[in-house]
Amino acid sequence: EDQVTQSPEALRLQEGESSSLNCSYTVSGLRGLFWYRQDPGKGPEFLFTLYSAGEEKEKERLKATLTKKESFLHITAPKPEDSATYLCAVGSQGAQKLVFGQGTRLTINP
Amino acid sequence: NAGVTQTPKFQVLKTGQSMTLQCAQDMNHNSMYWYRQDPGMGLRLIYYSASEGTTDKGEVPNGYNVSRLNKREFSLRLESAAPSQTSVYFCASSFLGGAQTGELFFGEGSRLTVL
Repeated sequence: EDQVTQSPEALRLQEGESSSLNCSYTVSGLRGLFWYRQDPGKGPEFLFTLYSAGEEKEKERLKATLTKKESFLHITAPKPEDSATYLCAVGSQGAQKLVFGQGTRLTINP
Repeated sequence: NAGVTQTPKFQVLKTGQSMTLQCAQDMNHNSMYWYRQDPGMGLRLIYYSASEGTTDKGEVPNGYNVSRLNKREFSLRLESAAPSQTSVYFCASSFLGGAQTGELFFGEGSRLTVL
């Protein structure tokens, strides 16, 4: 059974303090690993797709990386507007559906 | 650009009542999904429809039914609501199967409370 575990559950940083969020996964044949951002009271919004170990994707202050067992979402010099819950999901070969982790709630204090 | 539209946004039901959550997308997507989101549980798939005319169970289908009315619309019905169905429900759509691209487009959610 595909599983996704995210850590930490919550992270509080000062503005400009860089850090990383972790997404560990077990899947029978990885089709892709996906990161989403969710603001309070809103639906998740797609950020990145990673397909193979060693791949990296960047968007503004965010960089996602992938190994064979986990993915990291690195946040460089974050701003208060980066505060959100970040969700990780995996898709396995031949499967229609994604399996989501529980999310990391990130708070950036000014 | 409407994207994925869900109605209603909020609903309070009594145990045993029935209701239907409506979802429509205007992106010409083939696949549509219903998820529920509970604290500490993450997003869990209830039902999905890979294409018009097909529906399949997800992780937590008990107590729910769905209808893919046409390519645009995918509804979720609770026949006899229970307090355990108190949750935030999200509809999502994708052009290809979700596991292929991972790029799902979500609605803003429907917050359901069952008393």
